[in-house]
Amino acid sequence: GDSVTQMEGPVTLSEEAFLTINCTYTATGYPSLFWYVQYPGEGLQLLLKATKADDKGSNKGFEATYRKETTSFHLEKGSVQVSDSAVYFCALSGSASKIIFGSGTRLSIRP
Amino acid sequence: KAGVTQTPRYLIKTRGQQVTLSCSPISGHRSVSWYQQTPGQGLQFLFEYFSETQRNKGNFPGRFSGRQFSNSRSEMNVSTLELGDSALYLCASSLYHETSGRRYNEQFFGPGTRLTVL
Repeated sequence: GDSVTQMEGPVTLSEEAFLTINCTYTATGYPSLFWYVQYPGEGLQLLLKATKADDKGSNKGFEATYRKETTSFHLEKGSVQVSDSAVYFCALSGSASKIIFGSGTRLSIRP
Repeated sequence: KAGVTQTPRYLIKTRGQQVTLSCSPISGHRSVSWYQQTPGQGLQFLFEYFSETQRNKGNFPGRFSGRQFSNSRSEMNVSTLELGDSALYLCASSLYHETSGRRYNEQFFGPGTRLTVL
């Protein structure tokens, strides 16, 4: 079945550092890919999405490119801020229409 | 537009009891999905409703059930609660493409109901 694998956390970085959170997927067909963010005590917010190969999703300085050849959707940000501290989930929506989430990566940014 | 709302936000129950959680989707959204989030299992899909019909179901026991009303509001029920049911229960709503019969991929989540079973 469909699945998502993302790098284990926690990830701790200093402010203004470069961020990469790796995400790979397994799916039949052509799924849509997402990154969601969850701040403490809150639900999930859609951060960005890509619906076909080579699409780049971007939002709030975060970017991820849908790479079909490597089945990856890595999240990147050039300069992180303390306010980016949260849990990040990679997810896909495939043929079954439901969303499959990765295990989440906790990100902590030091001032 | 108001976001997805879930009530109650926090709930404490004891083993063997039953519980009902409520979700009001974004206005105009007719698809509602439910997820369970736990530290050990992560985010797991429970079920999805559209037009008062269950369209998709995850791998959960029959103690977990849901329904959707004509105004698209949804409830989920868990009977005979177990300690392992302690979790954050998230509801998400989305638009449904009437012509294709498929849900739009983008889902909008509520803040969740945190259920603690003692």
